[in-house]
Amino acid sequence: AQSVTQLDSHVSVSEGTPVLLRCNYSSSYSPSLFWYVQHPNKGLQLLLKYTSAATLVKGINGFEAEFKKSETSFHLTKPSAHMSDAAEYFCVVRYYDKIIFGKGTRLHILP
Amino acid sequence: EAGVAQSPRYKIIEKRQSVAFWCNPISGHATLYWYQQILGQGPKLLIQFQNNGVVDDSQLPKDRFSAERLKGVDSTLKIQPAKLEDSAVYLCASSSTPGQTNYGYTFGSGTRLTVV
Repeated sequence: AQSVTQLDSHVSVSEGTPVLLRCNYSSSYSPSLFWYVQHPNKGLQLLLKYTSAATLVKGINGFEAEFKKSETSFHLTKPSAHMSDAAEYFCVVRYYDKIIFGKGTRLHILP
Repeated sequence: EAGVAQSPRYKIIEKRQSVAFWCNPISGHATLYWYQQILGQGPKLLIQFQNNGVVDDSQLPKDRFSAERLKGVDSTLKIQPAKLEDSAVYLCASSSTPGQTNYGYTFGSGTRLTVV
């Protein structure tokens, strides 16, 4: 069965330090992978997506993610956190027409 | 292109009342999804349509929830009667057919339901 696991429910980093949000997936097929961000009381916004092209994917607001098939991972990173990055982040896997959400990681930015 | 349209944006009802949400997907998108997102949780798929047929409704509480997509375009999701635990954001998403050019999916802004 296909699934997606976000390993941390909460991550806290200081402003200006790197961000790492972890995501692992399981699938017997080649998936498409996405990261979405959701600010409080806002809709889901697509950060980036992997669809079997380059394994290192660059997204908006300085975020990027690397698809590692051997590790079945698609971790989200950013070199330097900004206060405006505080939000909920969802790793999403798509298998054909099935869309599966992770449970989310809340990112806290410390001043 | 226009995005996925949802209405109303907000709804407050009393428990045991009925409520309906509407979604208009991106033009030409064959697949339509309804998700329920309870505060602090990730979205949970309620029902998935392919054109006007149901592909997956395994997590839809069928005793109180219903959904239709009669003409294969817009869709309505209904709750009757509502319970307190139905308070959530209801998200609609649409997707073009896998294999087509520009295959992708888009979420609407959601309807925030509060049951009191």
